[in-house]
Amino acid sequence: RKEVEQDPGPFNVPEGATVAFNCTYSNSASQSFFWYRQDCRKEPKLLMSVYSSGNEDGRFTAQLNRASQYISLLIRDSKLSDSATYLCVVIKRGSTLTFGKGTMLLVSP
Amino acid sequence: DGGITQSPKYLFRKEGQNVTLSCEQNLNHDAMYWYRQDPGQGLRLIYYSQIVNDFQKGDIAEGYSVSREKKESFPLTVTSAQKNPTAFYLCASSWTSGGKDEQFFGPGTRLTVL
Repeated sequence: RKEVEQDPGPFNVPEGATVAFNCTYSNSASQSFFWYRQDCRKEPKLLMSVYSSGNEDGRFTAQLNRASQYISLLIRDSKLSDSATYLCVVIKRGSTLTFGKGTMLLVSP
Repeated sequence: DGGITQSPKYLFRKEGQNVTLSCEQNLNHDAMYWYRQDPGQGLRLIYYSQIVNDFQKGDIAEGYSVSREKKESFPLTVTSAQKNPTAFYLCASSWTSGGKDEQFFGPGTRLTVL
């Protein structure tokens, strides 16, 4: 099993739709979790950290399920500008970041 | 403005030549990182540095070298020993290593070896 796995997509959704991505991780010692957004041919940028209690930032909600070893990202009321690749990032204690390959989202008018 | 700069944005080299990619940050971050991204792939860690004059190999260090003589600068040399050097190279920095702090990325350098 790969350290961090994501469905590559693409997820094609219309504007206004709700879409969710999952990311599974293999190491139960993983400590910190993030979602990054990467636009085509650009650098990744932090979208949000993922806390054990779950967290919400506007239209974006991140959840962590330690028992099943996955994190999720929910996007409500999708905008055209949400079209990007979403990278899942997992960190083990005292270690460096491990990136998933990303899930591509395409929002259409 | 604070941030991370990488230069050049695009770089072309002939096979067998060494090439050095620049990375500078004025965020006063202690830790700096180099990643490589290939099409359809996740980011893979090449080297990282937690403090000046110290650096560690990442997952794919073979064929690369780095230096950290100044806090602000972490140049990456792609040597002729790197078998598949054509890729998108991203530099990042954070307050500390160990992963709890957000990593800020530079705009990247696209290296093409002809």
